[in-house]
Amino acid sequence: EAAVTQSPRNKVAVTGGKVTLSCNQTNNHNNMYWYRQDTGHGLRLIHYSYGAGSTEKGDIPDGYKASRPSQENFSLILELATPSQTSVYFCASGDSQNTLYFGAGTRLSVL
Amino acid sequence: QQQVRQSPQSLTVWEGGTTVLTCSYEDSTFNYFPWYQQFPGEGPALLISILSVSDKKEDGRFTTFFNKREKKLSLHIIDSQPGDSATYFCAASGGNRIFFGDGTQLVVKP
Repeated sequence: EAAVTQSPRNKVAVTGGKVTLSCNQTNNHNNMYWYRQDTGHGLRLIHYSYGAGSTEKGDIPDGYKASRPSQENFSLILELATPSQTSVYFCASGDSQNTLYFGAGTRLSVL
Repeated sequence: QQQVRQSPQSLTVWEGGTTVLTCSYEDSTFNYFPWYQQFPGEGPALLISILSVSDKKEDGRFTTFFNKREKKLSLHIIDSQPGDSATYFCAASGGNRIFFGDGTQLVVKP
């Protein structure tokens, strides 16, 4: 069954540490997205990609990097994690109509 | 400028009642409008969607209406059930971008 899989599901990091969130999709979609979800802010777009080797800045890219080494994989990297990056992160793949298929999320706590 | 506005932020209805969620959007070039449903601890999942060439789409108890002239859309849930309790997001899409509303937290009380 086609799916979007995120790992880890939960992560506790220390301030200043490096965090990598991984996402794998078997939908064969060109487009992939990283969002964060905080109470009162809905879904906010961090980075997205149109295909392997491409990354684009979303609405809130500061403090985050993205990497798309292949069609299937899209990573979100926090080089120097801060407490303000404590959130739930969702990866999604998107079809040609822009229907998004989301993973189950990663809950990140930065202490 | 927020591209998609959604209301209400939260809503409580009784079991068997009708739920109505509304959204408005800015860009008249948007042509695809999905609604997502999110249960606690899960990612959002597509519930129902409509293209700008239509004004209504039904799927069981869920119906979405689209008004191109007013740039508004709505989601109606008839015979609301406690299992419908979730957060609902509307979205608007055109070209390569998709924009989400801030979500409505729905509670259906038995």
